[in-house]
Amino acid sequence: DAGVTQSPTHLIKTRGQQVTLRCSPKSGHDTVSWYQQALGQGPQFIFQYYEEEERQRGNFPDRFSGHQFPNYSSELNVNALLLGDSALYLCASRPRDRDTGELFFGEGSRLTVL
Amino acid sequence: AQSVTQLGSHVSVSEGALVLLRCNYSSSVPPYLFWYVQYPNQGLQLLLKYTSAATLVKGINGFEAEFKKSETSFHLTKPSAHMSDAAEYFCAVSDNLGGGGNKLTFGTGTQLKVEL
Repeated sequence: DAGVTQSPTHLIKTRGQQVTLRCSPKSGHDTVSWYQQALGQGPQFIFQYYEEEERQRGNFPDRFSGHQFPNYSSELNVNALLLGDSALYLCASRPRDRDTGELFFGEGSRLTVL
Repeated sequence: AQSVTQLGSHVSVSEGALVLLRCNYSSSVPPYLFWYVQYPNQGLQLLLKYTSAATLVKGINGFEAEFKKSETSFHLTKPSAHMSDAAEYFCAVSDNLGGGGNKLTFGTGTQLKVEL
C-alpha cells in the first residue's frame, strides 16, 4: 500500500518563475492538504482540497493556488516566486469520513528559490 | 483558533536517559492532539494521537504522551533514549474547519539530540 507520494523531491527556481508540485494521496484517501515548512519552523497550512475544490485556505497569498483531479491527486502552483518561498512543501492526505484529524504526510518537495 | 506551544527548541539527553518533550495547547473545545517526528530530509511520521479516549496514549518506538486537561498539556515521554531517536518532534492540534475539513496547527518543533 503506497503512502503519500510527492514529486519532484528537490527543485531549484529563480525569482519570478513559477513552480508546480505534485502529490498522490494514500490509497483510500480523498482529501489532500498542502503545508509549507520553512527552515527551522513547523509546517504551516496552505489549503485543503476535496471533491476537486479548494475548501479551506490558510494565510497565504493568491500566488499559491492548487488543483485536485478526479483521481484525488493534487497540484500546488506558486507563481512569481520570491526568495521567501524557499521551503519544504508537504502534502498530506486523509479519508474525509474519518474525523480524528490525523493526516498522513509525504516526504515533501524541497524548493529553493535563488 | 487552536494553538500549541512547545517549550524548548533543543533538548539534549544521554542515551538511556528519560526523554521529556513539552507541549501545551490552547483550545476552546476538546482537542485532538498529535505528536509527529521528522527525521532529516524526510516528511512527518505520526508517533501518537489523542482523540478523547484514554488520557495516556502509547505510540510507536516506545513513546507515550499523557493528556492533562487541568494543565492543558500533552507532553511526550520515552523512558530510555536511543541514538535513533535523534530527530525533530512536532506537537500539533487539529482544527475542525467544518464540512469535514480540518487542518493541523503545529508547534515550532523540538530538536532532540541523543548523546553517548
